[in-house]
Amino acid sequence: AQKITQTQPGMFVQEKEAVTLDCTYDTSDPSYGLFWYKQPSSGEMIFLIYQGSYDQQNATEGRYSLNFQKARKSANLVISASQLGDSAMYFCAMRDDNSGAGSYQLTFGKGTKLSVIP
Amino acid sequence: DVKVTQSSRYLVKRTGEKVFLECVQDMDHENMFWYRQDPGLGLRLIYFSYDVKMKEKGDIPEGYSVSREKKERFSLILESASTNQTSMYLCASSGFTGAGDIQYFGAGTRLSVL
Repeated sequence: AQKITQTQPGMFVQEKEAVTLDCTYDTSDPSYGLFWYKQPSSGEMIFLIYQGSYDQQNATEGRYSLNFQKARKSANLVISASQLGDSAMYFCAMRDDNSGAGSYQLTFGKGTKLSVIP
Repeated sequence: DVKVTQSSRYLVKRTGEKVFLECVQDMDHENMFWYRQDPGLGLRLIYFSYDVKMKEKGDIPEGYSVSREKKERFSLILESASTNQTSMYLCASSGFTGAGDIQYFGAGTRLSVL
């Protein structure tokens, strides 16, 4: 069974500061993918960044980076130089690559609400 | 640019009505998904489809059915809407890109069943 845990229901960060959103996962399969999505108040889920379990380097996309610690089963999202537009819900998700038809599915965490303070 | 379009942003229906939620993607993706999102419960998968006319149940399929007659279109059907189906519904699609099979989402449909 898969499980994604986001322990921070809400976070505050000062504009222009960096912030880390925590995500831990639980899987017994060696091949999996980890994703972060952003959901503004408008409702659309926006893909931010992806990390494969066999990737040697941490993924980066602009101001987003993923701090992947495989042994600790953590995949924290780091947002550098926060902007007011970063205020949103952030979801961590995992895809298990070895579960047949279910390998297409994503399992989502409950999310972290980030508020950027001017 | 990736485009997943859901037919309605807001929908109000009455108990017992048959409800159709439509989703169209223009990326030639093989896989399409329907999720519902509720406060405190996160996103839960209702159904997904990995090919035309193929469908698989997700975690919460009860009370729902789906249809995929064309590759670009995936419909979610509430045969007889009930108040506990009031929720945010999100459609997504993904393809075999070799780069993580990323799911791209539509803007969502907020459904209220009265």
